[in-house]
Amino acid sequence: ELKVEQNPLFLSMQEGKNYTIYCNYSTTSDRLYWYRQDPGKSLESLFVLLSNGAVKQEGRLMASLDTKARLSTLHITAAVHDLSATYFCAVDALSGSARQLTFGSGTQLTVLP
Amino acid sequence: EAGVTQSPTHLIKTRGQQATLRCSPISGHTSVYWYQQALGLGLQFLLWYDEGEERNRGNFPPRFSGRQFPNYSSELNVNALELEDSALYLCASSLFPGQVAHGYTFGSGTRLTVV
Repeated sequence: ELKVEQNPLFLSMQEGKNYTIYCNYSTTSDRLYWYRQDPGKSLESLFVLLSNGAVKQEGRLMASLDTKARLSTLHITAAVHDLSATYFCAVDALSGSARQLTFGSGTQLTVLP
Repeated sequence: EAGVTQSPTHLIKTRGQQATLRCSPISGHTSVYWYQQALGLGLQFLLWYDEGEERNRGNFPPRFSGRQFPNYSSELNVNALELEDSALYLCASSLFPGQVAHGYTFGSGTRLTVV
């Protein structure tokens, strides 16, 4: 069974600071996704990472994928309040004979003024 | 381009009743996925349909079922509702998973409350 572990689960940070969210997974996969969820809302796609060494950046967020280490990171640079949300990583991998998207537990980010 | 649409937005049911949730995928997407997001439990995979067939199923009891129609829209049925079925149910669509360069797109969800 594929396991996806995110840490930290909760993160409070000051505006202007940098931090990294980690996503570890337990099986071979070269497809990993990052999503953002605001309270009571659906999931907004942030990044699609489809190969080892993939790095993507959008504004103050940068995501990377190391398939050999089975690790993805989401780096936040100079955080601003608008980034407050819950961030999920999700791994697309075989589960038995079928592919399945399995989510981490999420990281609830609060950016403080 | 219209995104993934789900209906209803909110649904209140009594324990023991049945609930039906609906999802229309992005045009051209053949795969539809259902996830349950219960408070404090993260996103749990429920079902995957593609080309009208159930392709995979998560660890949920048989009272969770669904189907996919010829136009690729999908329905999730939950029978004999229990209080713990209260959750946000999210639908996502994609091209067949062998072609997911653009990932999975999620709808806005149906908030099911069982009282």
